[in-house]
Amino acid sequence: DQQVKQNSPSLSVQEGRISILNCDYTNSMFDYFLWYKKYPAEGPTFLISISSIKDKNEDGRFTVFLNKSAKHLSLHIVPSQPGDSAVYFCAASETGTYKYIFGTGTRLKVLA
Amino acid sequence: SAVISQKPSRDICQRGTSLTIQCQVDSQVTMMFWYRQQPGQSLTLIATANQGSEATYESGFVIDKFPISRPNLTFSTLTVSNMSPEDSSIYLCSVDLNLGELFFGEGSRLTVL
Repeated sequence: DQQVKQNSPSLSVQEGRISILNCDYTNSMFDYFLWYKKYPAEGPTFLISISSIKDKNEDGRFTVFLNKSAKHLSLHIVPSQPGDSAVYFCAASETGTYKYIFGTGTRLKVLA
Repeated sequence: SAVISQKPSRDICQRGTSLTIQCQVDSQVTMMFWYRQQPGQSLTLIATANQGSEATYESGFVIDKFPISRPNLTFSTLTVSNMSPEDSSIYLCSVDLNLGELFFGEGSRLTVL
């Protein structure tokens, strides 16, 4: 049972445009969410997080939106740059646990 | 943050053999974890490496197949035993510094023939 789902395995976006990566979850106990970026032959690196007490968190070109009622979060990258081309994973956690449940990832390709 | 080094970065192994992956962290950490990423799949937690005691395994993972050592607060090993092609994955060491995120090593890509 996949508790965290990224239904789009890949996404292509033109440089300068907005990239929107989506993530859905099923466990209503999740209250902390993260996005990671992964380049080939490297480990995942943390991008941005959001707690369930918020519905938006922004850090430079990256914004994460959380819709708790829909159990949905999205990562917006604007403007997209070729260096953003990577696999993006969303992850969810429940406060008080050490477990992070990851989605299957979305491969973003930003076209120059 | 934390700097996490894994060895080997990649290896090709024969079916039935075992391989030990090492993880070294540049600071003392309490929470250290081992993840697996099979091709096209998500990152799946194998176990929590506990210092001074046996590792805590997630459902579907057993100590006989994935023995883990954690001799101190900066080092851990994961062994993949009696390997089969289904064990071909990226194995990732990670640590939680209680900063609200996991830090990952660069991963060890294992191919089993």
